[in-house]
Amino acid sequence: SSELTQDPAVSVALGQTVRVTCQGDSLRGYYANWYQQKPGQAPILIIYDKNNRPSGIPDRFSGSGSGSTASLTITGAQAEDEADYYCDSRDSTGWVFGGGTRLTVL
Amino acid sequence: VQLVQSGAELKKPGASVKVSCKASGYIFTGHYIHWVRQAPGRGLEWMGWINPNTDVTEYSQKFQGRVTMTRDTSISTAYMELSRLRSDDTAVYFCARQYSDTSGYYYNALDMWGQGTLVTVSS
Repeated sequence: SSELTQDPAVSVALGQTVRVTCQGDSLRGYYANWYQQKPGQAPILIIYDKNNRPSGIPDRFSGSGSGSTASLTITGAQAEDEADYYCDSRDSTGWVFGGGTRLTVL
Repeated sequence: VQLVQSGAELKKPGASVKVSCKASGYIFTGHYIHWVRQAPGRGLEWMGWINPNTDVTEYSQKFQGRVTMTRDTSISTAYMELSRLRSDDTAVYFCARQYSDTSGYYYNALDMWGQGTLVTVSS
């Protein structure tokens, strides 16, 4: 099966903009989704099909991407955005998740 | 609208575990149910899905032969059974609903998750 690669950790100053990236061959054929997970909680879908937000997700979260790379951008990061972020996509043999990125808001 | 999972389990190596996932607030047969696990301190790992309407399943190659996903539509509940447990199967197991819109189009995204079930495998 294919893999999705994410940076293990990223930090951002409060109120600034941060980008989290996800790379993998499956993204050439399928859109990426993004999930936020806080300690002890289930993941929450925050971006689907590359750049769509489910209802209730703040508009400071946005998605983009091309080729084998997808990105999640948080514009004006808040303290409550400190969490783990995972990308996923379909692939030729099922579904695949990235290894996750721990975001620290300074 | 929610998915509620069964409680924590402690199993011995070689045993099997069956985790349930009860859906409420939506039409159970209208959304695929996926199972995803997360070992302690690790990332998310996809295990497979079941179509509650047709009972068709698709499993990750990693779990083929050890995992069985079933459903009971009369009580809107999906099940995941994992056999021949090993210590490295210790994880939180999540069920999650695949997003589909009102026209029935399925997006490849998981829009609602259960609270998770901790399965501990230890002798």
